[in-house]
Amino acid sequence: EVQLVESGGGLVQPGESLRLSCAASGFTFNDSWMSWVRQAPGKGLEWVGNIGEDGSERYYVDSVRGRFTISRDNTKNSLYLQMNSLRGEDTAVYYCARGGTYYIISWGQGALVTVSS
Amino acid sequence: DVVMTQSPLSLPVALGQPASISCRSSQSLVHSDGNTYLNWIQQRPGQSPRPLIHKVSTRDSGVPDRFSGSGSGTDFTLRISRVEAEDVGVYYCTQGTHWPPTFGQGTRLEIK
Repeated sequence: EVQLVESGGGLVQPGESLRLSCAASGFTFNDSWMSWVRQAPGKGLEWVGNIGEDGSERYYVDSVRGRFTISRDNTKNSLYLQMNSLRGEDTAVYYCARGGTYYIISWGQGALVTVSS
Repeated sequence: DVVMTQSPLSLPVALGQPASISCRSSQSLVHSDGNTYLNWIQQRPGQSPRPLIHKVSTRDSGVPDRFSGSGSGTDFTLRISRVEAEDVGVYYCTQGTHWPPTFGQGTRLEIK
């Protein structure tokens, strides 16, 4: 069974940093593109970015480029999202997802990030 | 960015009746590799999203055959042949042909 389990969410102040982790199991992690997608409270879905199988390719949407960094550790079957200079508009549930740009195969349960003073 | 426009945004349907959701894109979703990366996802209340259909009409694993997708170019449709109680939730179309991937606003399906 495919499992994607996010952790590391919480409440931070504007300008601070936070790192999300996603533990993957049930599939060949190092053969999979991985993505982060977010959903603001009561709102729709927004792509954040994705990373290729070996980590050499990474893509970000304009709103997070330069502030967020996606990385992975294939030895630990883990995906990460380093978020710096957080803003109120970054408040959302962040989903780890298996799949790349074309389509997502499976989704995690999400981690809530709240940016507020 | 490619704009995905869904209609209706709210869809009350009686149990056992059919339902249909339209999704239109601001650009053709035909990729240079010949595929059309138009996908549908379902989000039940309080749950994370679930893949339903990818590449216009291919059902994802475990999706009942009462769900079907069709369309081409910029015009796509998700159909549910007979709505069941477990189908309540929000349905999103999403495109993966152009960067960045974008989502429709969502269609909320409720039981009438």
